[in-house]
Amino acid sequence: GNSVTQMEGPVTLSEEAFLTINCTYTATGYPSLFWYVQYPGEGLQLLLKATKADDKGSNKGFEATYRKETTSFHLEKGSVQVSDSAVYFCALSISSGSARQLTFGSGTQLTVLP
Amino acid sequence: DTAVSQTPKYLVTQMGNDKSIKCEQNLGHDTMYWYKQDSKKFLKIMFSYNNKELIINETVPNRFSPKSPDKAHLNLHINSLELGDSAVYFCASREGFSRSNEQFFGPGTRLTVL
Repeated sequence: GNSVTQMEGPVTLSEEAFLTINCTYTATGYPSLFWYVQYPGEGLQLLLKATKADDKGSNKGFEATYRKETTSFHLEKGSVQVSDSAVYFCALSISSGSARQLTFGSGTQLTVLP
Repeated sequence: DTAVSQTPKYLVTQMGNDKSIKCEQNLGHDTMYWYKQDSKKFLKIMFSYNNKELIINETVPNRFSPKSPDKAHLNLHINSLELGDSAVYFCASREGFSRSNEQFFGPGTRLTVL
């Protein structure tokens, strides 16, 4: 089956620190990979995505590269801000069939201190 | 304009009651989903509809019954509510032929069963 393993949290960083949240996956077929972010009290927002091997997704200073050889999609940001405090979810979706539901990792709570 | 909307945002009710959550999307998408987020933030697919047809029905108690009157709406009815049903329920939608499998999420409905 399909699964996503995500770095356990919580993660606490000081402002301007470097962020890495690890994500690895197992999948049958060819997945699309996503990072979603959930700010306190809100729904999920797509942060970035990659649809094939070696693609790099990027948005708001965050980046992640689809690594087929290591089945990974690690999230990075060079300098975090207090406003980045949120829960981050790695997810995959198989690009076949009509359903294409998302399989999520367990989420990583990030807190950035001023 | 709200792309995916849910009502109500908060729902507090007694054990044994029957309640419904409504979801509407104005994106013209063909596929809609219900996800459940538990107290540890873990997200899991419950149901998926494609053009009003049920295509995913995960291991969910049959007290939960989705209904899709048209492709823009996917409602969730829950009978005989139990304490363990307390969670945040997210609706999402996806364009039928989207290569990236990106899903758009509603703001969530926080259900509390007392």
